[in-house]
Amino acid sequence: LAKTTQPISMDSYEGQEVNITCSHNNIATNDYITWYQQFPSQGPRFIIQGYKTKVTNEVASLFIPADRKSSTLSLPRVSLSDTAVYYCLFLNNAGNMLTFGGGTRLMVKP
Amino acid sequence: SQTIHQWPATLVQPVGSPLSLECTVEGTSNPNLYWYRQAAGRGLQLLFYSVGIGQISSEVPQNLSASRPQDRQFILSSKKLLLSDSGFYLCAWNRQGIYGYTFGSGTRLTVV
Repeated sequence: LAKTTQPISMDSYEGQEVNITCSHNNIATNDYITWYQQFPSQGPRFIIQGYKTKVTNEVASLFIPADRKSSTLSLPRVSLSDTAVYYCLFLNNAGNMLTFGGGTRLMVKP
Repeated sequence: SQTIHQWPATLVQPVGSPLSLECTVEGTSNPNLYWYRQAAGRGLQLLFYSVGIGQISSEVPQNLSASRPQDRQFILSSKKLLLSDSGFYLCAWNRQGIYGYTFGSGTRLTVV
């Protein structure tokens, strides 16, 4: 399975834009890039998914360059409630076994 | 709409005792089902997955087993718990294809 690399932790302040980058050098052609958010003692929650270029929803944006060897989750104007762990991982049609890396622990400060 | 139920929410068990955690999914049929474990401050580790009744695949050899007696029921078991089995256990489901997972609320297991 393809492996992802993310920063272990990030700090930000309320109202700032946060960008979390994930490296995935050996991503397969049929892999989709998916991001999850996890609060303490809760299950991960789906944020956004994309294959290439840019995807935007009401929560975040996902930027994927042409070579797809990395992706960046962008959270606009974060609030204290965005403090969580964010996971980057892959999803594909051939055996949907999501493998979670260590994730990025985002701390939003007032 | 689809929902996933997982229980109990918390559990404290002595070493050597058995374990049974249950997960059920409503509002869908033939889901893919998964059990994950998360140690304190760590990422999620895939333990078992199932694509159908009686079909179980194990990702990590360990003291645990899984069963799928019904289409929308997934059970995680152990005959004798170890201290190292402590953790946060999560059940999840999805449909075949590029569909994201929906996770249950988790079970916090403490083996003492």
